[in-house]
Amino acid sequence: DAGVIQSPRHEVTEMGQEVTLRCKPISGHNSLFWYRQTMMRGLELLIYFNNNVPIDDSGMPEDRFSAKMPNASFSTLKIQPSEPRDSAVYFCASSLKAGRTYEQYFGPGTRLTVT
Amino acid sequence: LAKTTQPISMDSYEGQEVNITCSHNNIATNDYITWYQQFPSQGPRFIIQGYKTKVTNEVASLFIPADRKSSTLSLPRVSLSDTAVYYCLVGGGTDKLIFGTGTRLQVFP
Repeated sequence: DAGVIQSPRHEVTEMGQEVTLRCKPISGHNSLFWYRQTMMRGLELLIYFNNNVPIDDSGMPEDRFSAKMPNASFSTLKIQPSEPRDSAVYFCASSLKAGRTYEQYFGPGTRLTVT
Repeated sequence: LAKTTQPISMDSYEGQEVNITCSHNNIATNDYITWYQQFPSQGPRFIIQGYKTKVTNEVASLFIPADRKSSTLSLPRVSLSDTAVYYCLVGGGTDKLIFGTGTRLQVFP
């Protein structure tokens, strides 16, 4: 298996632009997670899906952030409009099921820079 | 969600055994203890998970005392490639993963 796939790996955009990050989870995994990592705040969970349904989006910073999972093999995280403080590495992870007892497999991340 | 406390950083030399201790005084009965490893510019990677006593796999051992208020990740004979950040997480059931600040391990030649 190729593991969790994220694209793009790097994104540089100007403030105010829309940014879309993409994720393909491991086939057969039923849960998908979006994290954000910065030096100041560490690794934060933004939202997670179980069987394509958003379960907990309490970590989404504000209305500028939205996430979708139209099917079991694809998810997007959108930021509109983007701001410099959104600069971070965004990770997508998947697991067989949600819950701490299930190993999460992380993708390589997307490094976002908003100027 | 049980809070965890672990050292911010540790140094070691190649070939030594490294023990990273995590305290979780408020651990609940159904909580598991899980450790993740993160290399620079990569996502975290699962290392090991346990509930009580000792768990061993091909890369590490996890020691959990009877009261489960702490746990120790043991890395035998570390190499330079073990330089990474190690996260201790506690929870169970449908709890979401909450990463703390982790322990930054630096291995020197």
